Amino acid sequence: DAGITQSPRHKVTETGTPVTLRCHQTENHRYMYWYRQDPGHGLRLIHYSYGVKDTDKGEVSDGYSVSRSKTEDFLLTLESATSSQTSVYFCAISESSGPQNIQYFGAGTRLSVL
Amino acid sequence: DQQVKQNSPSLSVQEGRISILNCDYTNSMFDYFLWYKKYPAEGPTFLISISSIKDKNEDGRFTVFLNKSAKHLSLHIVPSQPGDSAVYFCAASPSGSARQLTFGSGTQLTVLP
Repeated sequence: DAGITQSPRHKVTETGTPVTLRCHQTENHRYMYWYRQDPGHGLRLIHYSYGVKDTDKGEVSDGYSVSRSKTEDFLLTLESATSSQTSVYFCAISESSGPQNIQYFGAGTRLSVL
Repeated sequence: DQQVKQNSPSLSVQEGRISILNCDYTNSMFDYFLWYKKYPAEGPTFLISISSIKDKNEDGRFTVFLNKSAKHLSLHIVPSQPGDSAVYFCAASPSGSARQLTFGSGTQLTVLP
């Protein structure tokens, strides 16, 4: 398994509260990604990073922000959680953006916003 | 508008028989395709991939076929085993930086003993 740790694994929070999810990797990979998984939608990209302090938006970025101050850590923040952000969140890493790029995923964080 | 579609939410197959999972895409810029397998409460794990310059890639019991003109790919598992029971996601990426993946909605495969 790729060295990817997501924390927390489970979280229950209330609407309007801030939430931060952490992804930590030990592979020294350049690229890191945050996805959410919802029934009927598969996995959808929220934000991604192509280096320290270099990030960009994905398909469903509204309501989310990210930060990457070190190669190994990629944080996803919900500034004011809403019930529509109840989901399973996955972090992924990849070594390069070349043609044979493969993304490796963490175990996920299940977030419930009440 | 879903650019990657898996139209079968579920598939049941007898152990030892062939499992065929299908995936369609609409974006002509996609040039690399991947299949991931996901067990409950775990992250997706990479299974097999194929570049658009090929029409077939094989790895043990798993074979992926790509039909570019039809914008269709399929994953064949033969023989199917009970441990193959999982959700299978098709994913595609375009050429360019960061290799963002677009996923299908997944197919739940159940292999019956």
